[in-house]
Amino acid sequence: SAVISQKPSRDICQRGTSLTIQCQVDSQVTMMFWYRQQPGQSLTLIATANQGSEATYESGFVIDKFPISRPNLTFSTLTVSNMSPEDSSIYLCSVDRGLSETQYFGPGTRLLVL
Amino acid sequence: AQSVTQLDSHVSVSEGTPVLLRCNYSSSYSPSLFWYVQHPNKGLQLLLKYTSAATLVKGINGFEAEFKKSETSFHLTKPSAHMSDAAEYFCVCGGSSNTGKLIFGQGTTLQVKP
Repeated sequence: SAVISQKPSRDICQRGTSLTIQCQVDSQVTMMFWYRQQPGQSLTLIATANQGSEATYESGFVIDKFPISRPNLTFSTLTVSNMSPEDSSIYLCSVDRGLSETQYFGPGTRLLVL
Repeated sequence: AQSVTQLDSHVSVSEGTPVLLRCNYSSSYSPSLFWYVQHPNKGLQLLLKYTSAATLVKGINGFEAEFKKSETSFHLTKPSAHMSDAAEYFCVCGGSSNTGKLIFGQGTTLQVKP
């Protein structure tokens, strides 16, 4: 498995501001992922973040809104930019060690935008 | 394209009775399949995974799932429910191993009554 931490665990933000979420893993991993879980919904993949390359975004998500950094093999950040109440969600990072595609998830960041 | 359908959005059982959470998948190739559990205000925890080995997969906390290719199903079962099993359960299909993407079902809320 993997030990994954996220900061902050929760936040309340004002519309129009930005929030950067950090994801830290206890060992080096190639693939990291960012997901969004809207209230009462399932998880939707935002983007894949591989070290040394640009993040790959899923349909409906754009870099200007959700810029991602992946400076090394144990860390990534997701920024939620120019927030609106519709961005209120849980944001989760996950890692894939490359073993049978098993992904391990962080505890999530609970974001409320007023 | 791959997809996952969880047939029940909500399942209610009495403590000590069997649990059955149903999942069907659609994939153009032999997929990896997973069940994750999400307790309230917690991250996702891997319950079990199928990766083309034994079709009956045993997981943590007494859960197991059976892969049935002919029925394209991967139902989750447990012989006897505990109060602590009350949570949200997600059936997940692995994408191409080159991308590491996961496809999530919509989730099933398991309620356990005393």
